[in-house]
Amino acid sequence: QVHLVQSGPEVKRPGSSVRVSCKASGGSFTSYSINWVRQAPGEGLEWMGGILPILGTTNYPQKFQGRVTITADRSTSTAYMELTHLRSDDTAVYHCVRGVDAYNFGPNYHWGQGTLVTVSS
Amino acid sequence: EIVLTQSPDTLSLSPGERATLSCRASRRVSSSYLAWYQQKPGQAPRLLIYAASTRATGIPDRFTGGGSGTDFTLAINTLEPEDFAVYHCQLFGDSLTFGGGTKVEIK
Repeated sequence: QVHLVQSGPEVKRPGSSVRVSCKASGGSFTSYSINWVRQAPGEGLEWMGGILPILGTTNYPQKFQGRVTITADRSTSTAYMELTHLRSDDTAVYHCVRGVDAYNFGPNYHWGQGTLVTVSS
Repeated sequence: EIVLTQSPDTLSLSPGERATLSCRASRRVSSSYLAWYQQKPGQAPRLLIYAASTRATGIPDRFTGGGSGTDFTLAINTLEPEDFAVYHCQLFGDSLTFGGGTKVEIK
C-alpha cells in the first residue's frame, strides 16, 4: 500500500525559505516520479515542479524556476521541496504527488496529506 | 504553455440529475494525457479518469470522460450525494497543467 507522509505545518516570515519533506512507502522509490502541487485557500491546483528519482532530473514551470528546488534522497525514499523568498501569496497547502511511472509526472493516484505553509509577518 | 479552461465555474444541480463539465485546451493536445480529478473539502484530489476516457481503479461507471483535440468533457450520470465536489482537469506528461476547476453544488 502506497503512503506519502509529509512534514508538519509551517509558519514563515516573508522573505524566508521553507522546506517540506515527503516520505514514500509502498513500491520502489525510483519507479515513480514525484511532483509538488500547491493549493492556495479557495483556489485551484498549481504544479510547482517534479523530479524523476530514477534519473535525478527535475522539471519546473517557468513561474517557479529559480525559487523552487525539488530533491530526492533514494536512501530514505524521501523527496523534498524548498521554496525561497516567500511571499504572503505563497500561503497554501503543499502536496507531494506520485506519478504512475518513472518517466512521466502523471497521472496521479497517490497524494500526500498536504502541508499547510502560512507566510505572515 | 498550454492553458486549460474549465467551464462552468459552478454547476448547480439536484441529486439524480446529469452533470456535464467542460475542459478546453488552448491548443490541440493528445487525449492520452488528459485526466480528471474529484476533490472534496479538506481532502486531496482523487483520480477519476485518465487518457480522457479511461476510468481509474474503483471509479463507478456513472463517470464518463470524452473528447479530443482541444475539447474534453466529464459527464456524471445520475448525481449521487457524494458526487457534489470540485472537479479538475489535468494535462500530464513531462509536466502537469491543471484547469481552474468546476464546483458541482447541490441546487
